[in-house]
Amino acid sequence: GQQLNQSPQSMFIQEGEDVSMNCTSSSIFNTWLWYKQDPGEGPVLLIALYKAGELTSNGRLTAQFGITRKDSFLNISASIPSDVGIYFCAGQLSTGAQKLVFGQGTRLTINP
Amino acid sequence: DGGITQSPKYLFRKEGQNVTLSCEQNLNHDAMYWYRQDPGQGLRLIYYSQIVNDFQKGDIAEGYSVSREKKESFPLTVTSAQKNPTAFYLCASSIVTGGGQPQHFGDGTRLSIL
Repeated sequence: GQQLNQSPQSMFIQEGEDVSMNCTSSSIFNTWLWYKQDPGEGPVLLIALYKAGELTSNGRLTAQFGITRKDSFLNISASIPSDVGIYFCAGQLSTGAQKLVFGQGTRLTINP
Repeated sequence: DGGITQSPKYLFRKEGQNVTLSCEQNLNHDAMYWYRQDPGQGLRLIYYSQIVNDFQKGDIAEGYSVSREKKESFPLTVTSAQKNPTAFYLCASSIVTGGGQPQHFGDGTRLSIL
């Protein structure tokens, strides 16, 4: 099955630093979604993007839908300990059913 | 509270045994999905259903079966034909109309082999 290329795979940062991660694909997507997963739990939706070029914020999180519709990025500003977890991007293809394609995830670790 | 409930949280399977994972939602969503997650990897789609009494194979359906007899329920059976069933299984649901509707996830079932 198709997968997105998500990078970086892991990040080790100091509390208070800003974080940036991105996803790229060879396919065009109609929708980009960003999820966060804590250990032993299901992913929780952070931000949903529906239009090319769209820039959306959710508190300290900001995500953008790339102009080419083949990429998206997520920024976290002023990181805090509860930001620790795995972040996944997901894209919905242009046609077909409500199937999502997921990236491999970015594991964020924060040193206090 | 509205949400998606998966049970059990942990499940152990013996060799040659079929096991069924439960997924119930009270969000009135039409579509439901099953994903498998292995360590260090993203989610891979096993089966999905957009309407009662209908479902389609995802990318890794071999060794799994599902049913959708009720809108709120989408159980997944891991059969003995699935040779590597140890994984974290996630159920999700979404509304269908309008396209691009986000999927919302349950808290998962971790399946291990005895």
